Amino acid sequence: GAVVSQHPSRVICKSGTSVKIECRSLDFQATTMFWYRQFPKQSLMLMATSNEGSKATYEQGVEKDKFLINHASLTLSTLTVTSAHPEDSSFYICSALRDYNNEQFFGPGTRLTVL
Amino acid sequence: EDQVTQSPEALRLQEGESSSLNCSYTVSGLRGLFWYRQDPGKGPEFLFTLYSAGEEKEKERLKATLTKKESFLHITAPKPEDSATYLCAPSGGYNKLIFGAGTRLAVHP
Repeated sequence: GAVVSQHPSRVICKSGTSVKIECRSLDFQATTMFWYRQFPKQSLMLMATSNEGSKATYEQGVEKDKFLINHASLTLSTLTVTSAHPEDSSFYICSALRDYNNEQFFGPGTRLTVL
Repeated sequence: EDQVTQSPEALRLQEGESSSLNCSYTVSGLRGLFWYRQDPGKGPEFLFTLYSAGEEKEKERLKATLTKKESFLHITAPKPEDSATYLCAPSGGYNKLIFGAGTRLAVHP
């Protein structure tokens, strides 16, 4: 159990376009999900906390208008990178907080490349 | 300020050579301490959660322990497939994980 999926696994887009990444908890409910970004050979950097039915909470320095988060159900959160630029190229990973014991499980990640 | 330090940064072992990874932390309102394994190009894989000092958990060749200031991940008789980056992450307020930089483990046959 405790499986989290992400889609797509890889995406290449042109500068100025928007990209949506989906994160789903497949076999448990997750009122809270988190979005991270990871640069090569670095650890995970928390971008925002996504709560079902309410606005996301962003970490300091993360542009909320650029990284739009929607948590529409207890199993789905989406991250939309708006007007993407090459500096947004990174590995984006989501995690889902299992409601009954607060353990966090991670998705496989999405590699975004902006040309 | 919440802080997590993992050591060593990198560790090279021969197959069968046991060792320990260290995670030192200062976190107010600790809710639990998590260990994950991450392979290149993949998301972290959950290994253990520890909630209180003195707690120990085991899974195959791995055993995690917790004190009030440190956690250790002991690897017994490692195999090449144990090669990965091991991440320690205490959980503080709002269930946010505070990640260390990780220990890159390489196990050679």
